[in-house]
Amino acid sequence: EPEVTQTPSHQVTQMGQEVILRCVPISNHLYFYWYRQILGQKVEFLVSFYNNEISEKSEIFDDQFSVERPDGSNFTLKIRSTKLEDSAMYFCASHLRAGANVLTFGAGSRLTVL
Amino acid sequence: GQNIDQPTEMTATEGAIVQINCTYQTSGFNGLFWYQQHAGEAPTFLSYNVLDGLEEKGRFSSFLSRSKGYSYLLLKELQMKDSASYLCAVRETSGTYKYIFGTGTRLKVLA
Repeated sequence: EPEVTQTPSHQVTQMGQEVILRCVPISNHLYFYWYRQILGQKVEFLVSFYNNEISEKSEIFDDQFSVERPDGSNFTLKIRSTKLEDSAMYFCASHLRAGANVLTFGAGSRLTVL
Repeated sequence: GQNIDQPTEMTATEGAIVQINCTYQTSGFNGLFWYQQHAGEAPTFLSYNVLDGLEEKGRFSSFLSRSKGYSYLLLKELQMKDSASYLCAVRETSGTYKYIFGTGTRLKVLA
């Protein structure tokens, strides 16, 4: 069964450093998302991406964050100058097309900022 | 504003039936989805409703009333492996597609 692949599974970084989280969505999917989940809290929408541009972003997704689809298969989330409160699980998700579509999630990347 | 409410925690016995409720107030509506999430893992899709009524998938069923902003997930013949969090999510259509998740309901199934 096709799946969304995320790397790394766990990253530990120092406060102020930049991190890049990588995702390979399901190959024929067209809509891509990043969500985050702080431990014990709800899954929060960060950004959606379609046709090589951001479709929508939440108030969490400020100038500290950026997304890219650098090569037609990878979908990355960059977090600049990480803060302690960025520690969370980051999930990539995708779906095929507009309409009645189910989000398929990757296994997540756990980010720990020290 | 956006608001999706679920009970925080529920407990049920193996073999029983449990109903997890979800109420929502969102700026748009284009479907309600239920996901299961085991601790430390990704959410996995269970069921969705776009129109009012009941959708049944094996041991899981989901119901939607759009006029009431209400849904429930029904789990039958509970098994120990059903102990997990159950997330209600609404897809908005404010020009684009955006899925908003509730806080989740942590279900404990007891032997």
